[in-house]
Amino acid sequence: DAGITQSPRHKVTETGTPVTLRCHQTENHRYMYWYRQDPGHGLRLIHYSYGVKDTDKGEVSDGYSVSRSKTEDFLLTLESATSSQTSVYFCAISEAPGGAGETQYFGPGTRLLVL
Amino acid sequence: KQEVTQIPAALSVPEGENLVLNCSFTDSAIYNLQWFRQDPGKGLTSLLLIQSSQREQTSGRLNASLDKSSGRSTLYIAASQPGDSATYLCAVRPPGTYKYIFGTGTRLKVLA
Repeated sequence: DAGITQSPRHKVTETGTPVTLRCHQTENHRYMYWYRQDPGHGLRLIHYSYGVKDTDKGEVSDGYSVSRSKTEDFLLTLESATSSQTSVYFCAISEAPGGAGETQYFGPGTRLLVL
Repeated sequence: KQEVTQIPAALSVPEGENLVLNCSFTDSAIYNLQWFRQDPGKGLTSLLLIQSSQREQTSGRLNASLDKSSGRSTLYIAASQPGDSATYLCAVRPPGTYKYIFGTGTRLKVLA
């Protein structure tokens, strides 16, 4: 299994508070992704990174920000959590564009409940 | 806007059956397509990746085909086993972006 960890694994927070989720990889892969998974919507991309300090928005980026100061860490911040951000959040990594390097490896997920 | 559809949403089959899972996409301009498996409460596991220039990929009892012109991919599972029970998702990457678009998955149950 690819070395990807997510922390915390479970979190309960209150509306209006900031929340930061961490994804850590030991594979030295260039690309990192944050997705959310909700019933009826499947996986939707929030943000992704194609290198240190290089990030881009996905389809559901409003209310989220990301940072990547080191190859191994990709942080997702909910600036002011809302109940609509209750979800399961997955981090994924891939090595490089083209060929088998595009295979995505997923972390175990973080379950976030916003009350 | 690219959309990915997987029908049916759920499927139950007896052990030993050969089965086909479907993935449809609205825009034939894709860079590649991936199939994943997700067990309950877990992350996704990559099964097969098909480049746009390829027609199929095989891994063990799994075979994935790609027909870009018709906007379809199929995942064939031979001799299904109870351990194959999981949700299967497909995802496409449009050219010029690294943003993958996922289908909502097919939940498969293989009955012993």
